Amino acid sequence: NAGVTQTPKFRILKIGQSMTLQCTQDMNHNYMYWYRQDPGMGLKLIYYSVGAGITDKGEVPNGYNVSRSTTEDFPLRLELAAPSQTSVYFCASSYRQDSYLPSTNEKLFFGSGTQLSVL
Amino acid sequence: TQLLEQSPQFLSIQEGENLTVYCNSSSVFSSLQWYRQEPGEGPVLLVTVVTGGEVKKLKRLTFQFGDARKDSSLHITAAQPGDTGLYLCAGGGLGSTLGRLYFGRGTQLTVWP
Repeated sequence: NAGVTQTPKFRILKIGQSMTLQCTQDMNHNYMYWYRQDPGMGLKLIYYSVGAGITDKGEVPNGYNVSRSTTEDFPLRLELAAPSQTSVYFCASSYRQDSYLPSTNEKLFFGSGTQLSVL
Repeated sequence: TQLLEQSPQFLSIQEGENLTVYCNSSSVFSSLQWYRQEPGEGPVLLVTVVTGGEVKKLKRLTFQFGDARKDSSLHITAAQPGDTGLYLCAGGGLGSTLGRLYFGRGTQLTVWP
């Protein structure tokens, strides 16, 4: 059972370059998320999706784009990379039944992260 | 603005000691989750609490959700080196921003043998 798979594991970009961080899950989860984690700052939500074809902004969406064409995949696109986007990026997924409220049984599954450096 | 404040930020203790980490907010959450993260890996869910005053125990870990659902604590009894990691709390169901989890900055715990 693969769970949430992120690629690549590491990447170095030059300022102004673009790239796509891939995320796929095989658990048929409806919710998917992208977070970034900076040292000492916890996890900040970039974008999230409640199902295929539906995405919404999180706390720090500027400089990023997402799409959700299938239940399984939720790629994160960086256009015109900037040093401020140097961070560790985590994709996550969860299942919720017809409700925005998490329940006792809800569990957020995280990928192992992508370490991105923009130089 | 950090909605969830965790304290302490760093904690370094000897094996066998007890410890408590705190997660506080001025906002009311519908649920509170605790995660543990090891270097190079994503966070792993430990527990979800949804009822004010709720207490959950997982072996040597005790989690409590405040009566007003604004704060939570994690208590570890007889800490072991395997407990070392970053502990994150996350609140969900906040007002109009339903569907999102808000994370604290984390408590980095180091347990020395």
